[in-house]
Amino acid sequence: DVKVTQSSRYLVKRTGEKVFLECVQDMDHENMFWYRQDPGLGLRLIYFSYDVKMKEKGDIPEGYSVSREKKERFSLILESASTNQTSMYLCASLRRGVAEQYFGPGTRLTVT
Amino acid sequence: AQSVAQPEDQVNVAEGNPLTVKCTYSVSGNPYLFWYVQYPNRGLQFLLKYITGDNLVKGSYGFEAEFNKSQTSFHLKKPSALVSDSALYFCAVRDDSSYKLIFGSGTRLLVRP
Repeated sequence: DVKVTQSSRYLVKRTGEKVFLECVQDMDHENMFWYRQDPGLGLRLIYFSYDVKMKEKGDIPEGYSVSREKKERFSLILESASTNQTSMYLCASLRRGVAEQYFGPGTRLTVT
Repeated sequence: AQSVAQPEDQVNVAEGNPLTVKCTYSVSGNPYLFWYVQYPNRGLQFLLKYITGDNLVKGSYGFEAEFNKSQTSFHLKKPSALVSDSALYFCAVRDDSSYKLIFGSGTRLLVRP
């Protein structure tokens, strides 16, 4: 079974802090994704990566950056957290040639 | 532009009754369609997908979905609902030229005993 893990289930940070969310997958998938989930809006893509050191902006990249130094790990960075970044963050991975993405358990981030 | 609509915020059914969760989509190329389920404070679990072939797709936990090209719909169905099916359901679409998934806003399914 594919396993996607995220470093924290719950996180509370202060406005202006730099925040790192980590995602690790154990199935050698080429593609990895970061989404945020907000009530009534579904999931929205922040960034994705199709290979090590490669990244593409999703639909809502403002205020975020990403890093993929190793194939199994994809990090989401909030350079200066703001209260409107309070949300559930979900990581996913995808093997090239396969259709469905596999999701981690999510990190619920609260910025106060 | 690609889009997905889930017109119902919530669907209520009695245990043992059939259920339907609706989804319509818009995509420029050939659609890849998915259903995911989310239980409280959990990530999304893959239920089923349509890529090509039979319009009726069977998935996990007794769920199935019907692809209708003319109506651009991909409704999720189950013949007999269980209380444990209560969760948040997401429909998603991408076209065959991209890995980017577009999600609907989600439908909360509540199955009462």
